[in-house]
Amino acid sequence: GNSVTQMEGPVTLSEEAFLTINCTYTATGYPSLFWYVQYPGEGLQLLLKATKADDKGSNKGFEATYRKETTSFHLEKGSVQVSDSAVYFCALSRTGNQFYFGTGTSLTVIP
Amino acid sequence: ETGVTQSPTHLIKTRGQQVTLRCSSQSGHNTVSWYQQALGQGPQFIFQYYREEENGRGNFPPRFSGLQFPNYSSELNVNALELDDSALYLCASSLSSSSYEQYFGPGTRLTVT
Repeated sequence: GNSVTQMEGPVTLSEEAFLTINCTYTATGYPSLFWYVQYPGEGLQLLLKATKADDKGSNKGFEATYRKETTSFHLEKGSVQVSDSAVYFCALSRTGNQFYFGTGTSLTVIP
Repeated sequence: ETGVTQSPTHLIKTRGQQVTLRCSSQSGHNTVSWYQQALGQGPQFIFQYYREEENGRGNFPPRFSGLQFPNYSSELNVNALELDDSALYLCASSLSSSSYEQYFGPGTRLTVT
C-alpha cells in the first residue's frame, strides 16, 4: 500500500539553525512527493513538490530531493526563521486524485 | 481570485445526528477533495469529486457521502455521527482530477459529544 512516515516532533530550533525533517515513503509505482505547511490557524499550503526521482523541489529557502533508492524526501532549510514555525506534512500521490499524508512535524523556532 | 472557502467554521453535534459541511472551490477548479484531520494527525483522504461524480474514495464507511454541484462547490454529509468523527474537515480544490496542485480551505472543526 501507500504510506508516508515522517519524523516525530515537536522540533524546537533557534533562529538561523539548520533544519532537517525526515520523510520516507512506501508506494507502488512512482509517486509524486510533496511537502505541505500548516501555519497556526490556517489551512494547508503546498510548500514544494517533486514528481520524479532525483528531482529537487524548492521554495522559500526550503529544499527536498526525491531519493528513489532510499524512498525518502527529507525537508531541509539552511537557516530557519521565527516565521517558519508551523506544522510540516510530507505527502505522496500516485494519481493526483488521492493523497497520503504523514502525521506532521511541529516546528517551533525561537529567537 | 477567491480561494477555497468552507462553512461553517465550527460545529458541535450530538452522537447519532447528521451533519453537512460545505466547500466552495477556487475559481476555475472542477475538482474537490475532502479530508479528515484528527487532532495531532495528518489529513486522511475521504473522497474526491470531479465534474459532479465521485472520483476516488478512501477507507471511510458509506455514512460519509458527498455531492458536487454544477458550479463545482461541494458538500460532505456524515450520518449517524460517532464520537470519533470529531476532527477538522478539510476541503481542497484543484484544476483537474489529475492535477497534483491542491488548494486547501481553512477547514471546519466538528465536535461530536
